[in-house]
Amino acid sequence: KAGVTQTPRYLIKTRGQQVTLSCSPISGHRSVSWYQQTPGQGLQFLFEYFSETQRNKGNFPGRFSGRQFSNSRSEMNVSTLELGDSALYLCASSPDTEGYGYTFGSGTRLTVV
Amino acid sequence: AQSVTQPDIHITVSEGASLELRCNYSYGATPYLFWYVQSPGQGLQLLLKYFSGDTLVQGIKGFEAEFKRSQSSFNLRKPSVHWSDAAEYFCAVGAGSDMRFGAGTRLTVKP
Repeated sequence: KAGVTQTPRYLIKTRGQQVTLSCSPISGHRSVSWYQQTPGQGLQFLFEYFSETQRNKGNFPGRFSGRQFSNSRSEMNVSTLELGDSALYLCASSPDTEGYGYTFGSGTRLTVV
Repeated sequence: AQSVTQPDIHITVSEGASLELRCNYSYGATPYLFWYVQSPGQGLQLLLKYFSGDTLVQGIKGFEAEFKRSQSSFNLRKPSVHWSDAAEYFCAVGAGSDMRFGAGTRLTVKP
């Protein structure tokens, strides 16, 4: 069974630009969550999608958005990039069975210059 | 509100020595508890999880964890550490998709 796939692995963007990150969950998993990981703030929850609907949202500005497609693949978008957006962005999928836990992708390393 | 505390930011152990990583949680009901490991530049890998039954849980890579309700703890243990265990370890608590992670404990293994 293929794992959670995130593309691209690395990105370098300029301040003010926008970026789109992609996540393909494990087949059959309908819940996809996104996390931002930085050395200073640790793992911070961005949002969770289930069946194309945003179910939970973390405390991030509106520049951070996401969506989920009918095949459960998800994208997140960050507009008007700031230097502080440099981070490892992790996607995690779950079958939405309580207590199952997450399976994480390897992440996308975003650097904003 | 649910929360997770990992009191140790960084731990160093010698190869072959035993390991215990601490995790304390706050949760309103019986929690689902998890330990994840992250190697540099990688995502998180699930080591083990607990949500009911035997309070001593076995995981992958020779790790185990013990749930102690009275102490609100879920400490991770390994009897003999290998150099390849050097990584960052995260404790998490959650139900369904509402998962909260601790700040992590970085493990260094001395030869």
